[in-house]
Amino acid sequence: DTAVSQTPKYLVTQMGNDKSIKCEQNLGHDTMYWYKQDSKKFLKIMFSYNNKELIINETVPNRFSPKSPDKAHLNLHINSLELGDSAVYFCASSHAQGATDTQYFGPGTRLTVL
Amino acid sequence: QKEVEQDPGPLSVPEGAIVSLNCTYSNSAFQYFMWYRQYSRKGPELLMYTYSSGNKEDGRFTAQVDKSSKYISLFIRDSQPSDSATYLCAMSPDNYGQNFVFGPGTRLSVLP
Repeated sequence: DTAVSQTPKYLVTQMGNDKSIKCEQNLGHDTMYWYKQDSKKFLKIMFSYNNKELIINETVPNRFSPKSPDKAHLNLHINSLELGDSAVYFCASSHAQGATDTQYFGPGTRLTVL
Repeated sequence: QKEVEQDPGPLSVPEGAIVSLNCTYSNSAFQYFMWYRQYSRKGPELLMYTYSSGNKEDGRFTAQVDKSSKYISLFIRDSQPSDSATYLCAMSPDNYGQNFVFGPGTRLSVLP
């Protein structure tokens, strides 16, 4: 029983395409996140989503948009993909949005833009 | 200067050694400090968190925070090959998960 799952695990696509990554958590958590981990392993938060409140990291281009059909899902849509979008994207969830609320991470989606 | 710095390693130690992993940071507003372990091609998992300065122990792991020096450490006693992973520090100025700042991680190899 995977707590936080992501699909696909690997995604290879051409520049300019639009793609989506799906995330589901079965922990009953109220808060979900999307992170980007670049080739130098820096993990940076992109979005957090809590009870329909979306908080966006101001450095994230508006080509990236999270969509939450329900509390258990937070999908990531990326428009007009660029080479620099190549990275591993992690979804995470936590019971609440406090820094001390343990975040549970998914296995990651490795995106390669050609 | 990056906000959070870590020696990327790799750090190789023999099984049973005491391991010391460290992060330095520049933002004196950080109050919450976390250590995550990330196995290859997996998501990070939280090991420990501390608030403000001081020590915290959990089994073989001890976290230390020295806010005056802007320096945090994770010690692993009796290291095991299963401890081989990348260790990420993370910190936040407030109690909001979306304000986390992560270090780049230190890759640790514990040799049997």
